Amino acid sequence: AQTVTQSQPEMSVQEAETVTLSCTYDTSESDYYLFWYKQPPSRQMILVIRQEAYKQQNATENRFSVNFQKAAKSFSLKISDSQLGDAAMYFCAYSLLSQGGSEKLVFGKGTKLTVNP
Amino acid sequence: NAGVTQTPKFQVLKTGQSMTLQCAQDMNHEYMSWYRQDPGMGLRLIHYSVGAGITDQGEVPNGYNVSRSTTEDFPLRLLSAAPSQTSVYFCASKDTWETQYFGPGTRLLVL
Repeated sequence: AQTVTQSQPEMSVQEAETVTLSCTYDTSESDYYLFWYKQPPSRQMILVIRQEAYKQQNATENRFSVNFQKAAKSFSLKISDSQLGDAAMYFCAYSLLSQGGSEKLVFGKGTKLTVNP
Repeated sequence: NAGVTQTPKFQVLKTGQSMTLQCAQDMNHEYMSWYRQDPGMGLRLIHYSVGAGITDQGEVPNGYNVSRSTTEDFPLRLLSAAPSQTSVYFCASKDTWETQYFGPGTRLLVL
């Protein structure tokens, strides 16, 4: 079964600095998708960034970028120029497009990010 | 375009009561799913549907029923609520680029 591990239950960063959140996953598949979701105190799940496993280029979205290491099964999220609004729970997620068109999204347990002014 | 909507936002039930959590999306997505979120557990898949009339079980389906009569709606039914079902429930729909969009969640407290 696929699993997603986030080894950092909590992280903190100073405003305007850079922080990296770690994520590793376990799969025997070669084609899959990886996501980072942000959950602020409002509890809304917000997509931050996604990566297709067949793409070698790391995804970027403004201040958010990933370091995707397929062989190491690692998918870390880098947040540059951290802002107070970045404070939230961050979830790493894996999805496999299985036979029949179904898809199962597997989540890690999350990393709570605190941004200090 | 409202995206994914869920009702109610918060509900208190007594053990043994039944209820339906509503979920609707206006993006014409075929795939919809229900997750529950418990402290320290991340999100776990309860049931999912790949289209109207088709549903399947996820990781934690016991105690829940679903049906999908239309593309837009995907209700989740609790047959006989138990305290272990106290959680936050999220509905989601998925686009053709494999990205899931989540509703705002429903907080459920079972006493």
